[in-house]
Amino acid sequence: QKEVEQNSGPLSVPEGAIASLNCTYSDRGSQSFFWYRQYSGKSPELIMFIYSNGDKEDGRFTAQLNKASQYVSLLIRDSQPSDSATYLCAVNSGGSYIPTFGRGTSLIVHP
Amino acid sequence: DTGVSQNPRHKITKRGQNVTFRCDPISEHNRLYWYRQTLGQGPEFLTYFQNEAQLEKSRLLSDRFSAERPKGSFSTLEIQRTEQGDSAMYLCASSGIGRTGTGANVLTFGAGSRLTVL
Repeated sequence: QKEVEQNSGPLSVPEGAIASLNCTYSDRGSQSFFWYRQYSGKSPELIMFIYSNGDKEDGRFTAQLNKASQYVSLLIRDSQPSDSATYLCAVNSGGSYIPTFGRGTSLIVHP
Repeated sequence: DTGVSQNPRHKITKRGQNVTFRCDPISEHNRLYWYRQTLGQGPEFLTYFQNEAQLEKSRLLSDRFSAERPKGSFSTLEIQRTEQGDSAMYLCASSGIGRTGTGANVLTFGAGSRLTVL
């Protein structure tokens, strides 16, 4: 059973702070890692993906991957109230085209 | 292209009735996925198509659920003899062809079809 674990939260941060979201996965053969954002009542939309160990930055977002420790994280700098949403971590096992999703972490950015 | 389209957006039905959802993927995408999501949970995989071939189906999916993708274009998900436990958001997503480890594996989701079984 391939598992993707996330703390359901909510994670509450003040506006302008750094929000740190974490995700662990059970399948050591996993190769592709994705972060999706889901606003209440809406469908998931991609924020970014990462495949290699290390950091990947895109604007205010940074994804960090550590395959040895089997975790992937998402940092959101200068958090805005509009970032308030559920953040879903998704993982593809090696060779699979089917992502397994975690339950998501609810982020609340308060002014 | 207007993205992934799903119909109907909402469906209310009585227990025991059959329902069918339709998904129109992004036209150049070969892969199509169905997921189910309930409140407070992440999307749960149901089934996956590459072109018209249904390549994988979740073991959690009962035989009341069936999906098709004739001619590798749109897809339908039918639920027979609905139960209250089937109430959920049914999400369709599509992606392009490409090796794992490339951006082609990114899923684009439709707006979803919300099912309520009374």
